Amino acid sequence: AQSVSQHNHHVILSEAASLELGCNYSYGGTVNLFWYVQYPGQHLQLLLKYFSGDPLVKGIKGFEAEFIKSKFSFNLRKPSVQWSDTAEYFCAVAGGGFKTIFGAGTRLFVKA
Amino acid sequence: DTGVSQDPRHKITKRGQNVTFRCDPISEHNRLYWYRQTLGQGPEFLTYFQNEAQLEKSRLLSDRFSAERPKGSFSTLEIQRTEQGDSAMYLCASSPTSGVVGSTDTQYFGPGTRLTVL
Repeated sequence: AQSVSQHNHHVILSEAASLELGCNYSYGGTVNLFWYVQYPGQHLQLLLKYFSGDPLVKGIKGFEAEFIKSKFSFNLRKPSVQWSDTAEYFCAVAGGGFKTIFGAGTRLFVKA
Repeated sequence: DTGVSQDPRHKITKRGQNVTFRCDPISEHNRLYWYRQTLGQGPEFLTYFQNEAQLEKSRLLSDRFSAERPKGSFSTLEIQRTEQGDSAMYLCASSPTSGVVGSTDTQYFGPGTRLTVL
């Protein structure tokens, strides 16, 4: 069965600090990988996605993620966070069907 | 804004009552998903439609849950004989058909319906 593990449930950073959120998944076949974000009071929205090709994908607002197939990982990074990045971040995996499996989420709080 | 809409946004009901939620996807999207989200967890897949066909259904979806998408446009999710454990946020998402066979495209989420069962 597919599963997604996000390493941290809560992260607190100061502005300008670098961010890395870990995501590992379990699935042996071809996968589509996503990071979704939910800003306070808003809907879930796509941050970035990986389908194939270059394993380093860039998303909105300066975020990027790297797919490392051998490690079953899809970690999210941003070199310098802003207060406006305060949100909940969800890693998601879709493979072998139409079902998308989400991780439990990581709440990021950025101190101004 | 022609995003995904859900109605109602909040529903409070007593245990044992039936409830029905509606989702209106983005008009040109033929894929529609229902999820349930509880506090501290990510969205949990419930079911998926391609046009009017329900193609996948989670084992978590008990017989008390049923979903329809009769004309391939809006969808309804009904919960019969609600239980306190059904209290959650119910999310709907839609997506276009990906150009790549077997690929899952970006999902666009609605605001959710928050259900409280007393």
